[in-house]
Amino acid sequence: DAGVTQSPTHLIKTRGQQVTLRCSPKSGHDTVSWYQQALGQGPQFIFQYYEEEERQRGNFPDRFSGHQFPNYSSELNVNALLLGDSALYLCASSPGQHRRYGYTFGSGTRLTVV
Amino acid sequence: SQKIEQNSEALNIQEGKTATLTCNYTNYSPAYLQWYRQDPGRGPVFLLLIRENEKEKRKERLKVTFDTTLKQSLFHITASQPADSATYLCARPLSGNTPLVFGKGTRLSVIA
Repeated sequence: DAGVTQSPTHLIKTRGQQVTLRCSPKSGHDTVSWYQQALGQGPQFIFQYYEEEERQRGNFPDRFSGHQFPNYSSELNVNALLLGDSALYLCASSPGQHRRYGYTFGSGTRLTVV
Repeated sequence: SQKIEQNSEALNIQEGKTATLTCNYTNYSPAYLQWYRQDPGRGPVFLLLIRENEKEKRKERLKVTFDTTLKQSLFHITASQPADSATYLCARPLSGNTPLVFGKGTRLSVIA
């Protein structure tokens, strides 16, 4: 059973560019959450999608946006990239927005902004 | 805002000893806390969930406690092994049951 799949695994972008990261949740999971993890820090919550809508959002600017598709897969878009956006971006899926289950994480996308 | 803190950035222990990691939270007690393991360059892996009405939960060599009076959770690994070396993250729901917010993590090194 495939877990959470994220693509690409690594990405190098130039300041000011835009990037799209992709996530396929674990089979049977319908809720997708995105996190940003800087080196040596814990994952920071960006937003959560359920039923194709953004349900909760963390303290991130509007440059960060997302989408969830009918098959529950999700995209994270970041516009006008800054050097400080360099981080590991993690996607996590879970079965149901309000159910108490552990999240299943992907291995992440390592984004480097130069 | 709901905060969660893991006071120790790093912990070194000898193989065979019990490792104890601490997680403290602020404001209201969450309905549950979760613990994850993260290896370098990988996503976190879920280990245990403990509910507010559970004082203790065990899974093999792992034990988690939840003290709502102290606003604290302790994570224990007994008979630690070098393979247990990793970063351990504590998480709580932001509101209600979701989404999760994470602490900075504690990097555990088990020395043979």
